[in-house]
Amino acid sequence: QQQVKQSPQSLIVQKGGISIINCAYENTAFDYFPWYQQFPGKGPALLIAIRPDVSEKKEGRFTISFNKSAKQFSLHIMDSQPGDSATYFCAASIRVTGGGNKLTFGTGTQLKVEL
Amino acid sequence: DAMVIQNPRYQVTQFGKPVTLSCSQTLNHNVMYWYQQKSSQAPKLLFHYYDKDFNNEADTPDNFQSRRPNTSFCFLDIRSPGLGDAAMYLCATSRDKGIDTFGSGTRLTVV
Repeated sequence: QQQVKQSPQSLIVQKGGISIINCAYENTAFDYFPWYQQFPGKGPALLIAIRPDVSEKKEGRFTISFNKSAKQFSLHIMDSQPGDSATYFCAASIRVTGGGNKLTFGTGTQLKVEL
Repeated sequence: DAMVIQNPRYQVTQFGKPVTLSCSQTLNHNVMYWYQQKSSQAPKLLFHYYDKDFNNEADTPDNFQSRRPNTSFCFLDIRSPGLGDAAMYLCATSRDKGIDTFGSGTRLTVV
């Protein structure tokens, strides 16, 4: 119930192409869905996030599509660039007893954008 | 710039020798988290503080402890590091939903 399934594990895209990463969840109590970008040797950086009452959110070249009924969400990177090569984690957040939130992460997708 | 700072970036410790990792934040966020991330894996939550209230994950080994003396600082103590504790340790903060900011991490090596 607490799992977030992420696919694909790795992805190679040509420069200028669209990168698509998919995630699925089971627990309907999740109330916030962020995506993180992580470069080697660095901590994850919040890229974009969506709440379940919204079906799509766009920030620059990054778009989250959210399907509440299917319990699925995806990240689309338009006009992919070599600088986008990184590991991407989807996550789902839930309030926890005692305060704060707990993030359940997907397993990560290694994206490589080739020239 | 407001941020989450972790020190040191790299830490080498001997097997069984206590080690402390530190984290500071200038964001004034009331929630601070410690995550463990092993190579090619997702971050795994160890524990978090909501203000001064400590919340431990059920599967966090007793070997891992934490202190938060004030809003800005949080420490991770590993009492007797084993080879399996070699990992990147990430501190993070949040104000509302999700996690806003991760630090750059401390890479721990156990020899």
